[in-house]
Amino acid sequence: SQKIEQNSEALNIQEGKTATLTCNYTNYSPAYLQWYRQDPGRGPVFLLLIRENEKEKRKERLKVTFDTTLKQSLFHITASQPADSATYLCALGPRGGSYIPTFGRGTSLIVHP
Amino acid sequence: GAGVSQSPSNKVTEKGKDVELRCDPISGHTALYWYRQSLGQGLEFLIYFQGNSAPDKSGLPSDRFSAERTGGSVSTLTIQRTQQEDSAVYLCASSSTGGSYNEQFFGPGTRLTVL
Repeated sequence: SQKIEQNSEALNIQEGKTATLTCNYTNYSPAYLQWYRQDPGRGPVFLLLIRENEKEKRKERLKVTFDTTLKQSLFHITASQPADSATYLCALGPRGGSYIPTFGRGTSLIVHP
Repeated sequence: GAGVSQSPSNKVTEKGKDVELRCDPISGHTALYWYRQSLGQGLEFLIYFQGNSAPDKSGLPSDRFSAERTGGSVSTLTIQRTQQEDSAVYLCASSSTGGSYNEQFFGPGTRLTVL
């Protein structure tokens, strides 16, 4: 069955550095991949979508890469700020007639001032 | 602007009782999704609505769980004879058309605790 892996350990970085989060998957070929941010006590908020034929997507300080050979997506936040501290979820987009993405467990990012 | 709202925000119930969770999607969004999130777990898909129909209810864990959507808007998730393992945060999301590539807008969730 398909499996999504996000680092369960929190990522601690210093303000101003680049944070890099990883999403690996197996037994799947997603049509796209999404990244969401989730703050405590709140629902996830959509950040970026990258399609299978795209290598890289950028939005302000965010950058997502998608390597279908490695079955991996990297999510980067440049010039990180304490306000970026949250849990980041990746979601694999299905093929065919299903409209239901499959979410990973998320990785917690803590940016220290 | 109004986002997705859910009520109640917290629900504490006793084992064996029935509960109803409500979701108000963004106006005009035809697709609506219910998920469950347990501590340290990913979002577990429960059911998907397109309009008032549920073409995918494959994630409902047992026949104690049911959901309906009326008027293409409000949805209610009902859990009958609640069990302690039902304790989780129940999240609702909506999207404009429900097709692939559409971002989902999530509500704040309902935290359900079954004693």
